[in-house]
Amino acid sequence: QIQLVQSGPELKKPGESVKISCKASGYTFTDYAMHWVKQAPGKGLKWMGWINTYTGKPTYADDFKGRFVFSLEASASTANLQISNLKNEDTATYFCARVIPGYVMDAWGQGASVTVSS
Amino acid sequence: DIQMTQSLASLSASLEEIVTITCQASQDIGNWLAWYQQKPGKSPQLLIHSATSLADGIPSRFSGSRSGTQYSLKISRLQVEDTGIYYCLQRYSNPWTFGGGTKLELK
Repeated sequence: QIQLVQSGPELKKPGESVKISCKASGYTFTDYAMHWVKQAPGKGLKWMGWINTYTGKPTYADDFKGRFVFSLEASASTANLQISNLKNEDTATYFCARVIPGYVMDAWGQGASVTVSS
Repeated sequence: DIQMTQSLASLSASLEEIVTITCQASQDIGNWLAWYQQKPGKSPQLLIHSATSLADGIPSRFSGSRSGTQYSLKISRLQVEDTGIYYCLQRYSNPWTFGGGTKLELK
């Protein structure tokens, strides 16, 4: 069955970096784009952008340009989100979600919690 | 950016009641709207896509409709398992934007 399995919780200090992985199974990885969504504690969902899993081209929402990088390990059907120079406001759960062209997120990872605290 | 406004932050309803949750787009987005349900500690689940199409495996008591730039999610007979937070999402243009969410509880 279709699964997106994300890496485990992370506790980081301000200024550090973190890399979250999202391993896909049960479908052809390159047929679907991978989107990323942020959810701060007790808050709503915020779209971060997406990566074309066929070409590797990322697209970032304005609030996520600069310190955020989407990447792929296509041979491992894995998408990654790296956040550098972490700030307290990066504390959140980050979801990956697949999207077929012209459609919406129809399968999501379980979420990866990142806590930034000194 | 397109703003998606869910005017009700929370809603309380009784079992078997009809519930309607609304979402207003700041501009025309056609039918490029989806609805999601999120339960505590879980990832969102797709309920409705293309404004009115039921996602695979979703009970038929859920339905979506559109009137201009206002979109509605209707639950025809509320069940216990329908509690959670409901979000609308527009994918008409980048950045994709979610509504603020409507928390549905049982009365």
